[in-house]
Amino acid sequence: GNSVTQMEGPVTLSEEAFLTINCTYTATGYPSLFWYVQYPGEGLQLLLKATKADDKGSNKGFEATYRKETTSFHLEKGSVQVSDSAVYFCALGLNTNAGKSTFGDGTTLTVKP
Amino acid sequence: DAGITQSPRYKITETGRQVTLMCHQTWSHSYMFWYRQDLGHGLRLIYYSAAADITDKGEVPDGYVVSRSKTENFPLTLESATRSQTSVYFCASSAGTGENSPLHFGNGTRLTVT
Repeated sequence: GNSVTQMEGPVTLSEEAFLTINCTYTATGYPSLFWYVQYPGEGLQLLLKATKADDKGSNKGFEATYRKETTSFHLEKGSVQVSDSAVYFCALGLNTNAGKSTFGDGTTLTVKP
Repeated sequence: DAGITQSPRYKITETGRQVTLMCHQTWSHSYMFWYRQDLGHGLRLIYYSAAADITDKGEVPDGYVVSRSKTENFPLTLESATRSQTSVYFCASSAGTGENSPLHFGNGTRLTVT
């Protein structure tokens, strides 16, 4: 079956630190990969996506590269801000899966000033 | 305004009562989903719908009922609420599958069953 494994949290960083949140996946077929962010009291929002191998998704200073050889889609940001404190979810979607997405368990990031 | 809206935002109900959570989207997306989010369980899919009048069970459907008579609405009903159904419920929609499957989420309904 399909699955997404995320680095366990919580993660606590100081402002301007480098961020990496690891994500690996298992899928039958060729998935599209997504990172979502959830701020307190809100629903998830799409942060970035990549639809094929070696694609790099980027948004708001965050980046992730679709690595087929390592089945990974790690999220990175060079310099985090307090406003980046949120829960981050890695997910995959397949054309063969009736529109359903498979989510990781989420990683809570706290950035301290 | 375009988007996906859920109502109510907060709901407290008693065990055994029926309660309906509403979801409305303005994009005419084909797919709609209901998730529940609980600490330690991440997001779990309750039901989903590929189009009007087409619904199917997700990972945790027991105790819930859905309908989709119109593309834009996807209400979730708890037929006889139990304390284990205390959770935050999210509705989501998407335009399609694969690369078109990014989900658009509502802001959630926080349901407490006493």
